[in-house]
Amino acid sequence: AQSVAQPEDQVNVAEGNPLTVKCTYSVSGNPYLFWYVQYPNRGLQFLLKYITGDNLVKGSYGFEAEFNKSQTSFHLKKPSALVSDSALYFCAVRDIFSYGNNRLAFGKGNQVVVIP
Amino acid sequence: DSGVTQTPKHLITATGQRVTLRCSPRSGDLSVYWYQQSLDQGLQFLIQYYNGEERAKGNILERFSAQQFPDLHSELNLSSLELGDSALYFCASSDTGGDTDTQYFGPGTRLTVL
Repeated sequence: AQSVAQPEDQVNVAEGNPLTVKCTYSVSGNPYLFWYVQYPNRGLQFLLKYITGDNLVKGSYGFEAEFNKSQTSFHLKKPSALVSDSALYFCAVRDIFSYGNNRLAFGKGNQVVVIP
Repeated sequence: DSGVTQTPKHLITATGQRVTLRCSPRSGDLSVYWYQQSLDQGLQFLIQYYNGEERAKGNILERFSAQQFPDLHSELNLSSLELGDSALYFCASSDTGGDTDTQYFGPGTRLTVL
């Protein structure tokens, strides 16, 4: 089965500094990768996805992610973090085992804390 | 706002009871997914429907069942509830259920079993 790993539990960053949230994947075949963000007591909000093409994917709220096939990584980045970016971030991969099955396998999530 | 709606927002019930969670997908979306989020298990896929038919099953207990109706809304039924069923239940939808679809999530239903 396809899977993703988010190695860090929490990421602390000062406001205005670059933010990176790490994700590595394990798949057979082409990876379809996603990032979601969850604010307290809210649902998951879609940020961006990689399907094919350019390795640098741009998403919502100034976030981008870099797909690296050789390192099997899909790290989420933001050049300048805001306090409002403090939230739980999930990396996910489409878990393919039959046509039309579009389930997502999620990582454990990373808590991001942006310090004013 | 993703356009996916879920009711109720909160549900408190007792062990052994049965509850129904409801989800309305985004306008035009044919596929609905259910996920469970708990502290110990994280986000787990439960089941997927496409245009009224079950498409895929994940880690869904036999005490749980779901269906998607002709108007495309979906219901998740949880019966013989146990303390361990306390969790946040999310519904998501996508337009075709295809390989590259983005799933859009609702706000969730928080279930507390006492």
